[in-house]
Amino acid sequence: DTGVSQDPRHKITKRGQNVTFRCDPISEHNRLYWYRQTLGQGPEFLTYFQNEAQLEKSRLLSDRFSAERPKGSFSTLEIQRTEQGDSAMYLCASSPETSGGTFTQFFGPGTRLTVL
Amino acid sequence: AQSVAQPEDQVNVAEGNPLTVKCTYSVSGNPYLFWYVQYPNRGLQFLLKYITGDNLVKGSYGFEAEFNKSQTSFHLKKPSALVSDSALYFCAVRPLSGGSYIPTFGRGTSLIVHP
Repeated sequence: DTGVSQDPRHKITKRGQNVTFRCDPISEHNRLYWYRQTLGQGPEFLTYFQNEAQLEKSRLLSDRFSAERPKGSFSTLEIQRTEQGDSAMYLCASSPETSGGTFTQFFGPGTRLTVL
Repeated sequence: AQSVAQPEDQVNVAEGNPLTVKCTYSVSGNPYLFWYVQYPNRGLQFLLKYITGDNLVKGSYGFEAEFNKSQTSFHLKKPSALVSDSALYFCAVRPLSGGSYIPTFGRGTSLIVHP
């Protein structure tokens, strides 16, 4: 399968615990994005990498959230001291770099986080 | 700031009938528009996009979308709906040039196709 993959698909944790999610983009894509989606809403942008550089972060990304893409391939999203409001689907997407910026994002299946 | 409005939370249509899912947008400059579909507990699947050119764009699974610059709309259409088309549909927009490369998504429209 050459699509975007995410691990785990589901995570249940207790409030206050730390969690880490992984995203493996399509191999030739140098751009990687993290989104959060809650019930009844569209995806909300969290952060974006071009290769290993984190180029943009949303104000939604509080200091409890951190993302890395150390070698410009897979990425991790860590949430520290989870809160019940963090319960959501966390989506990863990747895209190639194209001339004129006319790229398309391809999404992974998501990681559903439930904070008890 | 860019934004997307999907005015209908839910669209109901009988199988075999044409369907339309509405989307209007606001963006600085020329828009780059997308439609994605999401099945339960799955990520988003790309359906189609509009960059420039012909206002009618054809995409996956028989879907098409019509770009209307004067009405700032990008409605998704299909001539004959299938029960398997039942899913969540998201419209997204970003500026074609300049600004952020990050698309803004609408809240989604639930399409229900009745047998």
